[in-house]
Amino acid sequence: SQELEQSPQSLIVQEGKNLTINCTSSKTLYGLYWYKQKYGEGLIFLMMLQKGGEEKSHEKITAKLDEKKQQSSLHITASQPSHAGIYLCGAGPWGAQKLVFGQGTRLTINP
Amino acid sequence: NAGVTQTPKFQVLKTGQSMTLQCAQDMNHEYMSWYRQDPGMGLRLIHYSVGAGITDQGEVPNGYNVSRSTTEDFPLRLLSAAPSQTSVYFCASSYGRSGNTIYFGEGSWLTVV
Repeated sequence: SQELEQSPQSLIVQEGKNLTINCTSSKTLYGLYWYKQKYGEGLIFLMMLQKGGEEKSHEKITAKLDEKKQQSSLHITASQPSHAGIYLCGAGPWGAQKLVFGQGTRLTINP
Repeated sequence: NAGVTQTPKFQVLKTGQSMTLQCAQDMNHEYMSWYRQDPGMGLRLIHYSVGAGITDQGEVPNGYNVSRSTTEDFPLRLLSAAPSQTSVYFCASSYGRSGNTIYFGEGSWLTVV
């Protein structure tokens, strides 16, 4: 079965700094999803990547899918306190059915 | 735009009690799933459904029961609650397979004492 490993597990950065979170799969990635979760709240959809080499951006967040490395990266530019939370990657070609998740990356932004 | 609605948001149960977590979506999605989230373990799939009348087990199905009598609703039943079922539960839905956004409910925080 597919497994996703996120790194780092925890990240503390100074406000205004850039950061990258990685999601590495044990198998070929089909349909990679990134979600953000505020502490004690639900999951907010960020982006979905489907094809190797695909890159998507939303505001200051960019996600890339490297099919050869079986890896996706999430990059935040000029981090803000609103970026704090837990970032989760999920993968699976079957939609909501059988989505596999990484263990999450806890991001803290220090002012 | 209700999206995916879960109830209740918080619940405390005694060991051995049963209860049902409700999940409803108003987007006519075929696929619906239940996940549980535990510290340091991400989300794990409990049960899923690909349409009304069709359900199947996920990674951690023991102690849970589901049914899908309508497209809109996918309730999760805890048959006899155990402390190991203390967790945050998320319902998700999507239309079809890959390439479509997966929507999650806001979560149900369950504590079993």
